[in-house]
Amino acid sequence: SQQGEEDPQALSIQEGENATMNCSYKTSINNLQWYRQNSGRGLVHLILIRSNEREKHSGRLRVTLDTSKKSSSLLITASRAADTASYFCATTQGGSEKLVFGKGTKLTVNP
Amino acid sequence: NAGVTQTPKFRVLKTGQSMTLLCAQDMNHEYMYWYRQDPGMGLRLIHYSVGEGTTAKGEVPDGYNVSRLKKQNFLLGLESAAPSQTSVYFCASSLGGRLFFGSGTQLSVL
Repeated sequence: SQQGEEDPQALSIQEGENATMNCSYKTSINNLQWYRQNSGRGLVHLILIRSNEREKHSGRLRVTLDTSKKSSSLLITASRAADTASYFCATTQGGSEKLVFGKGTKLTVNP
Repeated sequence: NAGVTQTPKFRVLKTGQSMTLLCAQDMNHEYMYWYRQDPGMGLRLIHYSVGEGTTAKGEVPDGYNVSRLKKQNFLLGLESAAPSQTSVYFCASSLGGRLFFGSGTQLSVL
């Protein structure tokens, strides 16, 4: 079964607006990662946040992690049409090297 | 560096046929993975390997076999293809928990 669940399933915004996607998971984790997938392509790693971290930034990306609520959010600021893609959260648990993905949020940024 | 390379990119099989998908990485990563992606299902782990000569089952291993004879290669085999195996297959390798993906193989089983 899938560990992470993204919300919303789909999001449509205008260029320049901020986009926020959420991920909830069920069991304790080692770390949580976010990936982007452009249509017809493989996934690309965006950011990794460890279970003892609460917030992380990378360029226009901001990721938060709340282990008490078992949730994470990905914020993309000042979105661009090129940010149009599907975004997935993924987690590892315990000593496992298996990365389990959620079903993704499809983001559309309109010019 | 090519990164992670998957071959073939597209394939159409008839039910009952067999085939092997090849994944090659040139980053000297120990860990490699095979996922399948179906509409509305996200990515599901089929099999993975934590090093040369080792393999382990993921979430959906039935109907698939894998081999990791060389560190740089991870092969995914379908012995008797079924329509339910129509999907896009992604291979990945990892370093420090971060995955590097290939561009995928689109497989249709008729």
